[in-house]
Amino acid sequence: SAVISQKPSRDICQRGTSLTIQCQVDSQVTMMFWYRQQPGQSLTLIATANQGSEATYESGFVIDKFPISRPNLTFSTLTVSNMSPEDSSIYLCSVEAGRSYEQYFGPGTRLTVT
Amino acid sequence: AQSVTQPDIHITVSEGASLELRCNYSYGATPYLFWYVQSPGQGLQLLLKYFSGDTLVQGIKGFEAEFKRSQSSFNLRKPSVHWSDAAEYFCAVGAHTGGFKTIFGAGTRLFVKA
Repeated sequence: SAVISQKPSRDICQRGTSLTIQCQVDSQVTMMFWYRQQPGQSLTLIATANQGSEATYESGFVIDKFPISRPNLTFSTLTVSNMSPEDSSIYLCSVEAGRSYEQYFGPGTRLTVT
Repeated sequence: AQSVTQPDIHITVSEGASLELRCNYSYGATPYLFWYVQSPGQGLQLLLKYFSGDTLVQGIKGFEAEFKRSQSSFNLRKPSVHWSDAAEYFCAVGAHTGGFKTIFGAGTRLFVKA
């Protein structure tokens, strides 16, 4: 298993600004994932972040809007840039547990853009 | 393309009654299947998973799910629901598409009435 923490837990931001979300894992993991969960919706994968390589973005998400860093095997950040109210969501970090493909999720960051 | 369908947006059951949440998937190969639960204000937690072998899998909190290849289904069941089971339930399929990723269904919200 893995224990994941995220900072901040929630934030209210002005449109046009940027917010960086941190994800810390208590063990070394290869693959980390960033998801967005819009109000009342399911999870949508933003990108996969492997240590030592560029993040892989899903269709509809671009690096300029959601830059990701993965400096080591226990930490990652997601930045939401030039925010608009449509970016108001819960952002979730997750890791894959070894070869079993199950994922462990952080508690999420609730972002409100005004 | 891989997809997951949860036909019920929400379900209401009485405490002590049995529960079945439906899930259908679309995937060309043998799927990795998961059920996750998201309780209010909390992150996602894995309930159970299926990779191979016995098609009836047991999970945490008294949940079980049955994989039926002929029906492309992976329904979640619990014989007696407790009020604390009220939450959002997500079915997910793991897919190898240029790397492994998890695709989530839209979710089913479970309400439990006394």
